[in-house]
Amino acid sequence: DAGITQSPRHKVTETGTPVTLRCHQTENHRYMYWYRQDPGHGLRLIHYSYGVKDTDKGEVSDGYSVSRSKTEDFLLTLESATSSQTSVYFCAISDAGTGSYEQYFGPGTRLTVT
Amino acid sequence: AQSVTQLGSHVSVSEGALVLLRCNYSSSVPPYLFWYVQYPNQGLQLLLKYTSAATLVKGINGFEAEFKKSETSFHLTKPSAHMSDAAEYFCAVSEWGGSEKLVFGKGTKLTVNP
Repeated sequence: DAGITQSPRHKVTETGTPVTLRCHQTENHRYMYWYRQDPGHGLRLIHYSYGVKDTDKGEVSDGYSVSRSKTEDFLLTLESATSSQTSVYFCAISDAGTGSYEQYFGPGTRLTVT
Repeated sequence: AQSVTQLGSHVSVSEGALVLLRCNYSSSVPPYLFWYVQYPNQGLQLLLKYTSAATLVKGINGFEAEFKKSETSFHLTKPSAHMSDAAEYFCAVSEWGGSEKLVFGKGTKLTVNP
C-alpha cells in the first residue's frame, strides 16, 4: 500500500469555524490531490499540487485553500466551514510525468459541519 | 474537457454470475484509463489501468477490462462474482493522454447476492 495518511480521520465542527485537514505521504511523489466524495457525484477535485508551493484549482475549489510547504505534506483548509462542505475528503498522490499516471488514495477524512 | 459515464449506478448479480460494469469516455485522443474499487469506509484502490499497450488489461482479484477505441468504452468484467466483490467501482480517465489529472465517473455500486 502507498504510504498515505490523513488526519484527522473524523471531525465534527460547527458552521463558521476554520478546519484544516492534513495529508502526509512517504512515497516522495510529486503530485498531491484533494478530492471530496458525495453521493451521486463521485469524486470531485478540489485542489492539487505539482510541487512544493505549487498548487492549482480543481473543479470545486470555492471555499477551500491549500498549502504545501514540504514534499510530504499537503494541507486543505476550510476558512469558514459551511454545511455544504460536509463530505468525505480524500487525499491522493501520483508520480505523473514519470510514466505512471495512476493515483493512490489515502483512507479519507469524514467531515461533518453542523 | 474529458468526461466519463458509468451506466448504472447500481448493479446486482448473483454469486458465480458474470460481472459487467460499463464505462464510456469522451476523448479525441487515446486516453489513459483506470478502474478503482472502494470498499465501505475505505479509500480507492487501483484495480487496473490501460496506458496504450495491450487493449485487454488484467487486474487484481480476477477483474479485466477491454479498451475499445471505436466504442470509446472500457468495460470492467469478471467471469464469476464472489461475495467479496461487493463494493463501489469507479472508472477514471486522464484529462488527456498523460495528464496528471484524472476525471472520475460517478461510480457503480455492485451488490452480490448469495
